[in-house]
Amino acid sequence: EAGVAQSPRYKIIEKRQSVAFWCNPISGHATLYWYQQILGQGPKLLIQFQNNGVVDDSQLPKDRFSAERLKGVDSTLKIQPAKLEDSAVYLCASSLRGANYGYTFGSGTRLTVV
Amino acid sequence: DQQVKQNSPSLSVQEGRISILNCDYTNSMFDYFLWYKKYPAEGPTFLISISSIKDKNEDGRFTVFLNKSAKHLSLHIVPSQPGDSAVYFCAGEDTGKLIFGQGTTLQVKP
Repeated sequence: EAGVAQSPRYKIIEKRQSVAFWCNPISGHATLYWYQQILGQGPKLLIQFQNNGVVDDSQLPKDRFSAERLKGVDSTLKIQPAKLEDSAVYLCASSLRGANYGYTFGSGTRLTVV
Repeated sequence: DQQVKQNSPSLSVQEGRISILNCDYTNSMFDYFLWYKKYPAEGPTFLISISSIKDKNEDGRFTVFLNKSAKHLSLHIVPSQPGDSAVYFCAGEDTGKLIFGQGTTLQVKP
């Protein structure tokens, strides 16, 4: 089965610019997650979708971050405007049977804000 | 608040020996615990999990032990191989979400 696809792999932007990341989960996986991994730290959940509905976005900085999963399949995460502290790897993951069976992560998008 | 902690940033072991990675947690509501392995420039990959009602789960060279009273779990890799060199993350599952520790970098020397 195809894995979780993410693009772009790398992105460098200046602070105050906007950026968008795209994720296509494994076919049939209803649950989709976006994680932020800052260098030297573990992944931190930003938002969780179940189909096209938001389950948990309590850790999403909503003043600058937004995410959508309009048709319940692929998803986009946007940052506008970006800050230096947003430099991180943004990981998308999807799950079929629930978190306890493990989710499948994409390779991530490495964002550098300069 | 850090609900999952991996207090050892790095670990170095000799090929063929045992690697023991440790993890502590504070959230009593975790139903499952999972270990992930991450190579550079790749996403984390699922390694092994354990239910909170069990104290041991084994899969080949990998065994996870859970001590609920101490809120501690560990991952044992026996025997360790150079290909096991990676960052290992411990995670707890709570209401469908995974909460990760900071990771431990394992280096297995030939």
